[in-house]
Amino acid sequence: DTGVSQNPRHKITKRGQNVTFRCDPISEHNRLYWYRQTLGQGPEFLTYFQNEAQLEKSRLLSDRFSAERPKGSFSTLEIQRTEQGDSAMYLCASSSDRADTEAFFGQGTRLTVV
Amino acid sequence: SQQGEEDPQALSIQEGENATMNCSYKTSINNLQWYRQNSGRGLVHLILIRSNEREKHSGRLRVTLDTSKKSSSLLITASRAADTASYFCATDKKAAGNKLTFGGGTRVLVKP
Repeated sequence: DTGVSQNPRHKITKRGQNVTFRCDPISEHNRLYWYRQTLGQGPEFLTYFQNEAQLEKSRLLSDRFSAERPKGSFSTLEIQRTEQGDSAMYLCASSSDRADTEAFFGQGTRLTVV
Repeated sequence: SQQGEEDPQALSIQEGENATMNCSYKTSINNLQWYRQNSGRGLVHLILIRSNEREKHSGRLRVTLDTSKKSSSLLITASRAADTASYFCATDKKAAGNKLTFGGGTRVLVKP
């Protein structure tokens, strides 16, 4: 286990289609986070899981977005009825739940909605 | 929403020079972390400084934290062309599951 893994790395989809991204965190990490990053900006928090429980969702996460972490290991982020404004880099991170702990990021999934 | 500002937004220096960038934030924090991002890639963790620490070093990196001014700085000494990247500060709060709130980043170009 060398780090956080995200698949796919790139996704091009037509407006209105559904897309799903996968994140495999570092195995001993019980926290998993999703962020979105648009060009020239810093990442923005979307949601996070402690084990399988989704504990917080940002207002950025509209009802077209859903995230799951069914067994407390990998997570999926689904976007339904994609819009051009959903085009962004989707980043996953994981960490332990110790107070002073780093979060480690995957390489991201670049979504382009055409 | 972004936690704060990074200054400058962009920085161009010659190889061998030092690069300094600053980060300000708005609310109380648990830790402050610095990350590097190469174009189109994920974020690489550089250093974490706790709210009760004032300075931390890691190799050619030096980070300071002033909680009274709600600001931090990252110094990269003896820069190399490979240091060309965007640098982000991010703060977290224990009560918020340690989720990170990022600044807008400083884009650093190190010319050989």
